[in-house]
Amino acid sequence: QSVLTQPPSVSGAPGQRVTISCTGSSSNIGAGYDVHWYQQLPGTAPKLLIYGNSKRPSGVPDRFSGSKSGTSASLAITGLQAEDEADYYCQSYDSRLSSYVFGTGTKVTVL
Amino acid sequence: QVQLVQSGAEVKKPGASVKVSCKASGYTFSSYAVHWVRQAPGQRLEWMGWINTANGNTKYSQKFQVRVTITRDASASTAYMELSSLRSEDTAVYFCAREDSGNYYDYWGQGTLVTVSS
Repeated sequence: QSVLTQPPSVSGAPGQRVTISCTGSSSNIGAGYDVHWYQQLPGTAPKLLIYGNSKRPSGVPDRFSGSKSGTSASLAITGLQAEDEADYYCQSYDSRLSSYVFGTGTKVTVL
Repeated sequence: QVQLVQSGAEVKKPGASVKVSCKASGYTFSSYAVHWVRQAPGQRLEWMGWINTANGNTKYSQKFQVRVTITRDASASTAYMELSSLRSEDTAVYFCAREDSGNYYDYWGQGTLVTVSS
């Protein structure tokens, strides 16, 4: 069951800004659980991009930013670069399912 | 540096079991939980369960509750995930991941491809 919904794809030209939404419910994001974001390049393991809704691990460019409001969260990528072409997943915890949950995933294409 | 190194690819027949290992290095193994996440071809990430590496307590996703067993050998800094009664739909890449204190995964294994085919 997909409890966190993301758009299947977003695209933008180099240098543009794109945003990815992550829509949840009152048992996960709306319950106050943090949202985290991962970047997955083809054929590789996911990489932590944003944790605790808006914090960046060391080494992640400040072009990536996260936010959360109500039952949704967003990831923004500014100054889009060719190397940003990847799949992106949000992740949180769901109290109704007693389970960690991932979003449906969004493929970012750089035009 | 922190590393999680997983065992190699497996090919199994339907009905069989598979056991994947995840060896940790570069940190104190018992200080962080280890989770298992799988990804079927072209599909999203799917959480399977986790183990408290300090005491061995586990929690599984309802979907995999009856078929998955996660264990650890603290002396070897290694976690294991065993999935039984395999079917073709279990063909996927299986990842282990270290959980930091905020319920997120800061390090991941390289993934292990498990193929279920007759």
